[in-house]
Amino acid sequence: DTGVSQDPRHKITKRGQNVTFRCDPISEHNRLYWYRQTLGQGPEFLTYFQNEAQLEKSRLLSDRFSAERPKGSFSTLEIQRTEQGDSAMYLCASSFRQGHSPLHFGNGTRLTVT
Amino acid sequence: EDKVVQSPLSLVVHEGDTVTLNCSYEVTNFRSLLWYKQEKKAPTFLFMLTSSGIEKKSGRLSSILDKKELFSILNITATQTGDSAVYLCAPRSGNTGKLIFGQGTTLQVKP
Repeated sequence: DTGVSQDPRHKITKRGQNVTFRCDPISEHNRLYWYRQTLGQGPEFLTYFQNEAQLEKSRLLSDRFSAERPKGSFSTLEIQRTEQGDSAMYLCASSFRQGHSPLHFGNGTRLTVT
Repeated sequence: EDKVVQSPLSLVVHEGDTVTLNCSYEVTNFRSLLWYKQEKKAPTFLFMLTSSGIEKKSGRLSSILDKKELFSILNITATQTGDSAVYLCAPRSGNTGKLIFGQGTTLQVKP
């Protein structure tokens, strides 16, 4: 499978715990995005990487959230001290930098905070 | 602030009907507009529109962009039950190429 891969598919955690998600983009893609989607809403932009550089972060991304893309390939999104409001689907997408390349999305990680 | 409004929010039709989904937007540094289909999991790419007035077509689906009036429409003709999904409109903004999504239109096609 050469699409965007996300792991785990589901995560259930207790409030206050830390969680980390992983995204493996399509290998030739140098742009990587994280989005969050709650029920009945469209995806909301969280952050963007070009290669290993994090170039944009949404105001939605509180200081409990951190994302990395250390070698410009896979990326991780960590949420510290989870809250019930963090329950959502976390989507990763990647694209080429050149031109108007569409974003290709992974199947997401569904987080439930109890 | 960037804003994307899709209408209707939900739609129920019968197989064979034609539907038109609407998307209006106000986005800074607009680059292009993309449509996605989402069935439970990952949004899947349908169209990318960069120029006004040029219709993009793929089978029974077609889409057009009006950059002056800031809207786009997605048409689906001869709908099938497999078209049931959430359709997302997403203008692309700025140098990062990030997409700004609308709330989506939930389409249900009944047999």
